[in-house]
Amino acid sequence: AQSVTQLGSHVSVSEGALVLLRCNYSSSVPPYLFWYVQYPNQGLQLLLKYTSAATLVKGINGFEAEFKKSETSFHLTKPSAHMSDAAEYFCAVSDPGSGYALNFGKGTSLLVTP
Amino acid sequence: EPEVTQTPSHQVTQMGQEVILRCVPISNHLYFYWYRQILGQKVEFLVSFYNNEISEKSEIFDDQFSVERPDGSNFTLKIRSTKLEDSAMYFCASSELGTGRNEQFFGPGTRLTVL
Repeated sequence: AQSVTQLGSHVSVSEGALVLLRCNYSSSVPPYLFWYVQYPNQGLQLLLKYTSAATLVKGINGFEAEFKKSETSFHLTKPSAHMSDAAEYFCAVSDPGSGYALNFGKGTSLLVTP
Repeated sequence: EPEVTQTPSHQVTQMGQEVILRCVPISNHLYFYWYRQILGQKVEFLVSFYNNEISEKSEIFDDQFSVERPDGSNFTLKIRSTKLEDSAMYFCASSELGTGRNEQFFGPGTRLTVL
């Protein structure tokens, strides 16, 4: 089954600093990868997705992610953090073995300090 | 913008009771899903549903769980006899198609507390 691993359950950055959230995948076939964000007491919102087109994917709110097959990675970045970026971020892979259900990573909580 | 809605936002029940969680998927979507998130853990897939039947289910989705699309708009998750370990946030999602590249749109969730 396809799976993802998120390194770092908590990441803290200063406002204006680079955000880097790590995600590595395990897949026997070309994967479809997603990043979702969960703000407190809200549902999951799609930030961006990789579906085998361009390896650099741009999403909402200034986030982007680069698919690197050689590193089996799909890290999420943002050049300059805002206070409003504080949230839980989930990497997910679509699993063809379970009807394309999403397999989520454990999540990374992003804290942005002034 | 179309969105997935879920009711109630919070459900408190006694162990052994039946609960029904309700979802209204986006109207032109054909695939529906339930996921759950136990506090502090990752989001886990429960079941997918297409054309009025279960497409896939995880090992979590045992005989205590059932899903139904009782009419053209609602999609429900029933837990027959709740256990303490069923306490979690339950998310409904829908997608236009069931391919891997299609985005799943998530509802805001129902927080289920079993006492």
